[in-house]
Parts: sequence; C-alpha cells; structure tokens
Amino acid sequence: DGGITQSPKYLFRKEGQNVTLSCEQNLNHDAMYWYRQDPGQGLRLIYYSQIVNDFQKGDIAEGYSVSREKKESFPLTVTSAQKNPTAFYLCASSIDLQGPHNEQFFGPGTRLTVL
Amino acid sequence: AQSVTQPDIHITVSEGASLELRCNYSYGATPYLFWYVQSPGQGLQLLLKYFSGDTLVQGIKGFEAEFKRSQSSFNLRKPSVHWSDAAEYFCAVGAGGGNKLTFGTGTQLKVEL
Repeated sequence: DGGITQSPKYLFRKEGQNVTLSCEQNLNHDAMYWYRQDPGQGLRLIYYSQIVNDFQKGDIAEGYSVSREKKESFPLTVTSAQKNPTAFYLCASSIDLQGPHNEQFFGPGTRLTVL
Repeated sequence: AQSVTQPDIHITVSEGASLELRCNYSYGATPYLFWYVQSPGQGLQLLLKYFSGDTLVQGIKGFEAEFKRSQSSFNLRKPSVHWSDAAEYFCAVGAGGGNKLTFGTGTQLKVEL
C-alpha cells in the first residue's frame, strides 16, 4: 500500500541533544512537508521541499534542519537550539505545489518529549 | 496570500444530531478547499475537497461541504453525528501556483451519548 511512514512513534530526548525524525513516502510525490502541532495551535509549518535537494523554511524553522537527498525521504532534525521541542510532529507529502496537486497526505506522526 | 479561519474552537453535539463546522477563507480567486479530520495521536485524514464544479461536495464518512463564494465559506456538514466522529477537524485552503496549503486552527468536536 502506498503511504507515508514516520518513525519512531514516540521519541524521548534529553535536553541539549539533537534528534532526527524519519519520514518516508512511497507515493512518488515531489513535495514533502514537516509540521509541528501543539494543543490549540493547529498545524505550523516547519520546512517544506518541492523537489530533491531543495527545501524552504516555513513559519517556525528556527532550531530545526532538514535534508532531501532522496525523493522518498525527508528527515527532520530537532537541534538543541530549539527551545521548546516537546510536540507532535507530522510529515506530509503532495504530488507537487501546483493547483489541485497540493492536496496533502499525512503520516501518523511522531510525539517528541524532552526530558 | 490566502488565509483560513475556523471560528469555533470547540463544539459539542449529541449523537444523532446534525453538525455544521464553519470555515471561512480569504483568497482573491477560486481557491482549492479541503477538510481533514484528526483522531487523537494520529495523522490527518482527508474528508473531502473542492476544486471546481458542483459547489456541494460529498466526502467520506457521510460528510459533505458546500462552497459559497459570496460568503467565502466552505462549511462542513453531517446530518446525523455518530460517537466515532469525535475528533479534531481542520479546514485548509490552497491557491495553487506554487503556494502550499494554509490550515485553520481546527475545531474540536465532542459527541455526547
């Protein structure tokens, strides 16, 4: 079945450590996205990528980094510079950003807790 | 740039009652409109979408939505709510042309038995 996988489902990190969240899709989509979700704040865009080897900052990119070396993969690193990283992280993909093709498909999410 | 507003943060309905969740958007041309649902601790699932044509669109799980250009709205409806519909609902608007989707802040639906 085609879809998006995120791993791990739960992640615990000590303060000061970097941690990488995995996102893989087998939908052959060009565009991929990372969102952060906090209670009562909806989805906030961290980074997005329209094509391999290219990505753009979203609304809350500070303290995060990404790479897009393969079409299927868009890992997110939460660095020690992110002051409040405890949140639910969602990865999504779309065919591209043109017209109806920007319908997004979501993964199941990763809950990150900083201890 | 486009924007979307979901005026209701929380809504409570009784099982079997009808439901309407509000969504207002801001965009100069005809937008692409989506409704997603999220169960606790899960990702978002697409309920329905509007691109063009018939302004009343049918989705999964018995939901429908109506695009009203004059009111800049895309409200989600269901004639009879089931307890399993309790979840958070997000409206999203896209403008195409290389623009990503913009999501509303969500409406949390509680269903009373």
